[in-house]
Amino acid sequence: DGGITQSPKYLFRKEGQNVTLSCEQNLNHDAMYWYRQDPGQGLRLIYYSQIVNDFQKGDIAEGYSVSREKKESFPLTVTSAQKNPTAFYLCASRSGTSGMYEQYFGPGTRLTVT
Amino acid sequence: AQSVTQLGSHVSVSEGALVLLRCNYSSSVPPYLFWYVQYPNQGLQLLLKYTSAATLVKGINDFEAEFKKSETSFHLTKPSAHMSDAAEYFCAVSEPNYGQNFVFGPGTRLSVLP
Repeated sequence: DGGITQSPKYLFRKEGQNVTLSCEQNLNHDAMYWYRQDPGQGLRLIYYSQIVNDFQKGDIAEGYSVSREKKESFPLTVTSAQKNPTAFYLCASRSGTSGMYEQYFGPGTRLTVT
Repeated sequence: AQSVTQLGSHVSVSEGALVLLRCNYSSSVPPYLFWYVQYPNQGLQLLLKYTSAATLVKGINDFEAEFKKSETSFHLTKPSAHMSDAAEYFCAVSEPNYGQNFVFGPGTRLSVLP
């Protein structure tokens, strides 16, 4: 089955540690996205990538970093500089070059930092 | 710039009653519009999308939405609510150009009462 996988589902870290969230897709999509979701809030865009080896900052990129070395993979690193990292993180991908294409979402990773 | 508003952060309906979730958008060009559903601790799943074909769009699980250009609206309806419809619903807008152009509304939580 084609889709997006995110691992792990739940992640616990101590404050001051960097942590990397995995996102893999086998849909052959060019574009990939990372969102952050806090309780009772909508989705906020962290980073996105339209093509391998290229990515752009979203609305809340501070304290996060990404890489796009392969089309299938778009890992997100939450650094110790992120002031409030506890949240639900969603990865998405999208095909095509037109706005008519929908985003496909992974199941999410819930990160808790204490 | 695009934006999406969803009137009512929380909507409650009785089982079997009509579901109506409101979405209004602003866009400088005719947009593409999407409705997503999110169950607790899961990713988003596409319900339906409008891509400038028929203005009345049918989606999964008997949901449908009507694009009304004069009202800049794309409200989501379902004739008869089921307990399993309890979830968070997000409206999103996208303009024809590619790139970081997918904007989500803040979401509406739907509760279904027995």
